[in-house]
Amino acid sequence: GAGVSQSPSNKVTEKGKDVELRCDPISGHTALYWYRQSLGQGLEFLIYFQGNSAPDKSGLPSDRFSAERTGGSVSTLTIQRTQQEDSAVYLCASSPTFSSYEQYFGPGTRLTVT
Amino acid sequence: AQTVTQSQPEMSVQEAETVTLSCTYDTSENNYYLFWYKQPPSRQMILVIRQEAYKQQNATENRFSVNFQKAAKSFSLKISDSQLGDTAMYFCAFTWFAGSRLTFGEGTQLTVNP
Repeated sequence: GAGVSQSPSNKVTEKGKDVELRCDPISGHTALYWYRQSLGQGLEFLIYFQGNSAPDKSGLPSDRFSAERTGGSVSTLTIQRTQQEDSAVYLCASSPTFSSYEQYFGPGTRLTVT
Repeated sequence: AQTVTQSQPEMSVQEAETVTLSCTYDTSENNYYLFWYKQPPSRQMILVIRQEAYKQQNATENRFSVNFQKAAKSFSLKISDSQLGDTAMYFCAFTWFAGSRLTFGEGTQLTVNP
């Protein structure tokens, strides 16, 4: 079946603009994660959705970052008033259930803030 | 807090030879899961192998095997009969229960030379 997909693949934006990054998890997967991969910070957890439960937002670096998951499927990560330090690859992963430890990753979105 | 350390930023190996990538971690948990992920230039994170901490037997997956030393908090990856397609960034990762976030090491860039 289809894997995790993310769009766009690459995004270049000007400092101060808002951006939206999209993640389509594997069909039927109830858990969804966002991670950020940057040169200075490595791979960092951002946010976790599990079914209809309140998301774990503890990894979001600032209040400029937010995410939602509609209908328990597609997720959108929004970054407001982008800064140059937001430049990174944003990875999405999904998992079959909250009891599964295996996460399946998408190809990521490379965000460049100029 | 859990931490994962990979002390080898870069490694290289000749095709068909064996290479070992190192990983250490720190946790106060007794039960947890460890993973090695591979990230080729396509950015797609691919699970290579996983180990449950409660299992004493080292995990193996074809040419990939681990040396899990729980007391030493060490989790190394051995790649046998290296192939050109093994060239990638390798990340060691940790999670303490299913459905939780992954904590990643800094990564080791492996190059397999012909």
